[in-house]
Amino acid sequence: EAGVTQFPSHSVIEKGQTVTLRCDPISGHDNLYWYRRVMGKEIKFLLHFVKESKQDESGMPNNRFLAERTGGTYSTLKVQPAELEDSGVYFCASSQDRAAGNTIYFGEGSWLTVV
Amino acid sequence: QKEVEQNSGPLSVPEGAIASLNCTYSDRVSQSFFWYRQYSGKSPELIMSIYSNGDKEDGRFTAQLNKASQYVSLLIRDSQPSDSATYLCAVKDVRNQAGTALIFGKGTTLSVSS
Repeated sequence: EAGVTQFPSHSVIEKGQTVTLRCDPISGHDNLYWYRRVMGKEIKFLLHFVKESKQDESGMPNNRFLAERTGGTYSTLKVQPAELEDSGVYFCASSQDRAAGNTIYFGEGSWLTVV
Repeated sequence: QKEVEQNSGPLSVPEGAIASLNCTYSDRVSQSFFWYRQYSGKSPELIMSIYSNGDKEDGRFTAQLNKASQYVSLLIRDSQPSDSATYLCAVKDVRNQAGTALIFGKGTTLSVSS
């Protein structure tokens, strides 16, 4: 069974440009999460989808970030315009349900560098 | 402020020794605790979850939880070089809107020498 896959694995863009990150969750997982780790900091929650609906987006840093999950399958996270402080690793994760103890599976992350 | 604290390490242990990784958390109402292992450049992988005070064992791993003292630890017995990785402590954020977000510590780097 394929795990959580993310694309691109690495991206280098200039300040002010746009980047779109894609995540394909494990098949059948209704719950999809985005997390981010910036240099020297801990992994932080960004948002949570249940199917195509945004269940919680309390961790989104500002309105330059837009996440979508049309059709409830894959998800995209767009950063527009990118700023230097957006550099970091963006992790996507998925789970079958959101009950306590339910295993959340992470992807390998998309490394974003804004120069 | 909601926080999960871990010693960043590196924690160095010889092969065959017990590695002890510690984590403290600030939110007293937290109920669900997780340990993830992350190899360099790879995805965090869940290795243990614990919800009740006391010990939970799974193979060479033992998670320990003490809610009164607000700490959770991970013991790795008979450490192997393949255990060398960063270990992330995570707590489910019960005050989060949907109750599903995880709060992570910065992780402890473990190095097991052969």
